[in-house]
Amino acid sequence: DSGVTQTPKHLITATGQRVTLRCSPRSGDLSVYWYQQSLDQGLQFLIQYYNGEERAKGNILERFSAQQFPDLHSELNLSSLELGDSALYFCASSVDQSGYEQYFGPGTRLTVT
Amino acid sequence: DAKTTQPPSMDCAEGRAANLPCNHSTISGNEYVYWYRQIHSQGPQYIIHGLKNNETNEMASLIITEDRKSSTLILPHATLRDTAVYYCIALIYNQGGKLIFGQGTELSVKP
Repeated sequence: DSGVTQTPKHLITATGQRVTLRCSPRSGDLSVYWYQQSLDQGLQFLIQYYNGEERAKGNILERFSAQQFPDLHSELNLSSLELGDSALYFCASSVDQSGYEQYFGPGTRLTVT
Repeated sequence: DAKTTQPPSMDCAEGRAANLPCNHSTISGNEYVYWYRQIHSQGPQYIIHGLKNNETNEMASLIITEDRKSSTLILPHATLRDTAVYYCIALIYNQGGKLIFGQGTELSVKP
């Protein structure tokens, strides 16, 4: 158990819909990272937040957005969903913003039908 | 960040040492080598990292060649639970926390 929690574990929704994935980092960690893992793209970095502020962005689609709240939990919002957005979405956390020693949650499996 | 090259798959007998190689011939002097693993669709798990010296922790040992162009992750007594995809990543420290995962090595530990 990494100490990072993600909800929900599974999500099935239809194309065009919007969903929100939630992540609670380990106690004391200030950075939160979001990654997407699909069969054809592998594990890809989406975005990083540190203490409420966006720190780094990967190839995150404009239809996706994220935020980190004052209590340090984070949400990833995915809108206008397409079949290709079906993937595992992982959240990770680290103590500081340079943290390559990241602790990953169990993931949310999103299926878009 | 330097590109890393790993064999796509390896087998290891249970109880034996698993030696996973990684080539990073273009690594620069301030790039660390990090290892993560992912067990069957679970979240990736940090294993170990190093810069120049060999490192050991409770999970594994990391041997980095003197010229730093390659490294080996050693699991001293592999168990069936070590079956996973292992990722070697070269990163400049303190340049943000973006991990770039390649294809990794799929290690199968067999009884």
